[in-house]
Amino acid sequence: GDSVTQMEGPVTLSEEAFLTINCTYTATGYPSLFWYVQYPGEGLQLLLKATKADDKGSNKGFEATYRKETTSFHLEKGSVQVSDSAVYFCALSVGRGGSYIPTFGRGTSLIVHP
Amino acid sequence: DTGVSQNPRHKITKRGQNVTFRCDPISEHNRLYWYRQTLGQGPEFLTYFQNEAQLEKSRLLSDRFSAERPKGSFSTLEIQRTEQGDSAMYLCASSLIGGSDTEAFFGQGTRLTVV
Repeated sequence: GDSVTQMEGPVTLSEEAFLTINCTYTATGYPSLFWYVQYPGEGLQLLLKATKADDKGSNKGFEATYRKETTSFHLEKGSVQVSDSAVYFCALSVGRGGSYIPTFGRGTSLIVHP
Repeated sequence: DTGVSQNPRHKITKRGQNVTFRCDPISEHNRLYWYRQTLGQGPEFLTYFQNEAQLEKSRLLSDRFSAERPKGSFSTLEIQRTEQGDSAMYLCASSLIGGSDTEAFFGQGTRLTVV
């Protein structure tokens, strides 16, 4: 079945450090790939997405490139801020008989210190 | 409309009792999803509606779990004869009808504690 594997957290960084959170996936067909973010006390919200191979999704300084050859969608940011502290979820969605059910990884907690 | 709304936000119940949670999706959204999230894990898919039709329910955790969306608007998730292992956050999400690139919008969840 479809699945998403994320690096375990927490990831602890100092402000202005470079961030990478690894994500790999398994799916038959051609999934769309997503990163969602969950800030403390809030619901999950979409951060960025990519719908086909070599697409780059970007938002709020975060980027991720859809790599079909390595089945990966790693999240990067060049300079993190304390306000980026949150849990980040990698997800995929692929059509199955007309249904599209997002499948999530376990999440990676990011803690940014001043 | 400010987003997906879930009620209650917190529920504490005794083992063996039945509980029901409500989800109000974004008004124009046709699709509605229920997920369960336990500590340190990602959302685990439970069931899915398109309008009032329940298109996928094989992933409901047991026959104690059921969901309805009677008029294609709000939805309820019921757990009968609760067990301590049912303690978790229950998430609802909604989306427009579309392809695999369609964004899901999540509510803040209902946290269930079974004592």
